[in-house]
Amino acid sequence: DAKTTQPPSMDCAEGRAANLPCNHSTISGNEYVYWYRQIHSQGPQYIIHGLKNNETNEMASLIITEDRKSSTLILPHATLRDTAVYYCIVRVGPSGGYQKVTFGTGTKLQVIP
Amino acid sequence: DTEVTQTPKHLVMGMTNKKSLKCEQHMGHRAMYWYKQKAKKPPELMFVYSYEKLSINESVPSRFSPECPNSSLLNLHLHALQPEDSALYLCASSQGQSNSPLHFGNGTRLTVT
Repeated sequence: DAKTTQPPSMDCAEGRAANLPCNHSTISGNEYVYWYRQIHSQGPQYIIHGLKNNETNEMASLIITEDRKSSTLILPHATLRDTAVYYCIVRVGPSGGYQKVTFGTGTKLQVIP
Repeated sequence: DTEVTQTPKHLVMGMTNKKSLKCEQHMGHRAMYWYKQKAKKPPELMFVYSYEKLSINESVPSRFSPECPNSSLLNLHLHALQPEDSALYLCASSQGQSNSPLHFGNGTRLTVT
């Protein structure tokens, strides 16, 4: 699976958009971009994933550059509950009936009142 | 609340004890995972079961013994652990043959004394 690079930490004012970048310059054509987050003392939570096109759901938007070498997770109106570590993961689809998900170090997002 | 239930939430055990961690899901998922997470580090994959068969063992010491009695249950048997094995142990499940994400429980906080 492709290696990802994320800033170790970011701050965002409450109510503003949080834009979390991820670099995955070695991504292959069949690899997806996934985002998970982990709020303190909880298990990781899936947020969104995409292959080529931009994606949006009730939690966030995922913007993938045309060359697919980087992506941005956007939380449109950050709240204090969005304070968490955000993990960007790049991987191929399932193989053998499972997905081998490897976490990098992630970005610690602090939402400030 | 998560759809993956882990028990117990906290466990303290001595180095000579034998204990088990339990994980249960009723989403019909056929892949189940154990991760270990040390403080301020990302989760690390330990084991993957697919259709109740062990598919991945990430060179985990034999003092950790996984078991998948059926498609809804996953156990992790612990014996002769060391203090450095103290960590948060996370269970996850996924549908397997799709790009659907992993669903995590909130973990068991294990302390080895």
